[in-house]
Amino acid sequence: GDSVTQTEGQVALSEEDFLTIHCNYSASGYPALFWYVQYPGEGPQFLFRASRDKEKGSSRGFEATYDKGTTSFHLRKASVQESDSAVYYCALGEGTNTGKLTFGDGTVLTVKP
Amino acid sequence: NAGVIQTPRHKVTGKGQEATLWCEPISGHSAVFWYRQTIVQGLEFLTYFRNQAPIDDSGMPKERFSAQMPNQSHSTLKIQSTQPQDSAVYLCASSYQDTQYFGPGTRLLVL
Repeated sequence: GDSVTQTEGQVALSEEDFLTIHCNYSASGYPALFWYVQYPGEGPQFLFRASRDKEKGSSRGFEATYDKGTTSFHLRKASVQESDSAVYYCALGEGTNTGKLTFGDGTVLTVKP
Repeated sequence: NAGVIQTPRHKVTGKGQEATLWCEPISGHSAVFWYRQTIVQGLEFLTYFRNQAPIDDSGMPKERFSAQMPNQSHSTLKIQSTQPQDSAVYLCASSYQDTQYFGPGTRLLVL
């Protein structure tokens, strides 16, 4: 079945550091890829998505590029802030009329002031 | 736009009791999804509806769990004879243009 692997379970950075969270996927079809962020006590919040090879998604300074060749969708941000501390999830969904999402295990990001 | 509404936010039940969780999707969204979140298993898909019709329940435990969507404004997830392993955060999401937007979840604790 489909699966998503996030390499980093936890990432600790200082403000203004560069962030990379690695996401690789395995899917039989041509999935849509998503990043979600979750704060304590809340549900996951949609950050952005990409649906085709080489498409870049972005929001709030975060970005990721769909790479079908390496089956990756790595999250990057040039300069993190303390307020970015949260859990980040990479997910994949089916193509048109996306059904269920398959999530990675999540990456806990802690940013120190 | 109030977002997806889930009630109750917290529920404590005794082993063997029934729990009903409610979800009100964002108005105009055509699909409703249910997920379960635990520390051990992470975010797991349970079931979903599109235009109120059940589409995929492949993640639902075969016994004790059921979901319904009687109208476009709400869906329910019912767990009969709750067990301690059912303790989790149950998340509802509704989707627009194939992007899912999640509610805050219902934290269920089975003692």
